[in-house]
Amino acid sequence: DVKVTQSSRYLVKRTGEKVFLECVQDMDHENMFWYRQDPGLGLRLIYFSYDVKMKEKGDIPEGYSVSREKKERFSLILESASTNQTSMYLCATTQTGNTIYFGEGSWLTVV
Amino acid sequence: DAKTTQPTSMDCAEGRAANLPCNHSTISGNEYVYWYRQIHSQGPQYIIHGLKNNETNEMASLIITEDRKSSTLILPHATLRDTAVYYCIVRVRGLQGAQKLVFGQGTRLTINP
Repeated sequence: DVKVTQSSRYLVKRTGEKVFLECVQDMDHENMFWYRQDPGLGLRLIYFSYDVKMKEKGDIPEGYSVSREKKERFSLILESASTNQTSMYLCATTQTGNTIYFGEGSWLTVV
Repeated sequence: DAKTTQPTSMDCAEGRAANLPCNHSTISGNEYVYWYRQIHSQGPQYIIHGLKNNETNEMASLIITEDRKSSTLILPHATLRDTAVYYCIVRVRGLQGAQKLVFGQGTRLTINP
């Protein structure tokens, strides 16, 4: 069965902390994405990656970075968390032309 | 940049067909249209996708206009469990040729008993 696993479902972090959100897929997909979802704003693309070590900025990359050292893992990094980064974060993966698969989401609260 | 436009909310009576529109006027010839839905606190669930032709599966039908500038998702016999936010997504080329996914704001569909 297809799987996209986000390592943490619920996190609470302090302002200024470094935060890592991990996403792992078992489908050998080239493309991986990180979105954040906020009430009234829908899903907004933060970063995506189309191959190992390759990345491209999405619509709202400020305050975030990403890492893709292995094909199956795509990490989202908040270098210094701020309260306006409190949100639900969604990872997605796809192979070109095929179905998109989503993780279950990570709820991050920054206090 | 490519974008999709959807109505913010819609209502439909249980048992009737729900028709959800999406405009994607800047879509290019080889970009797919996908539909997903999301129930509160869960990850988006795949419904259907298409390129040019109309598509049907066990969940829904997808009608894409001939010029491909808009599409309609049809849930033929809506049930209360179809209440969700429905997203229309197109795949567009990013700066380095990679494909990225562009979401609309989503339509909050409420099925009424």
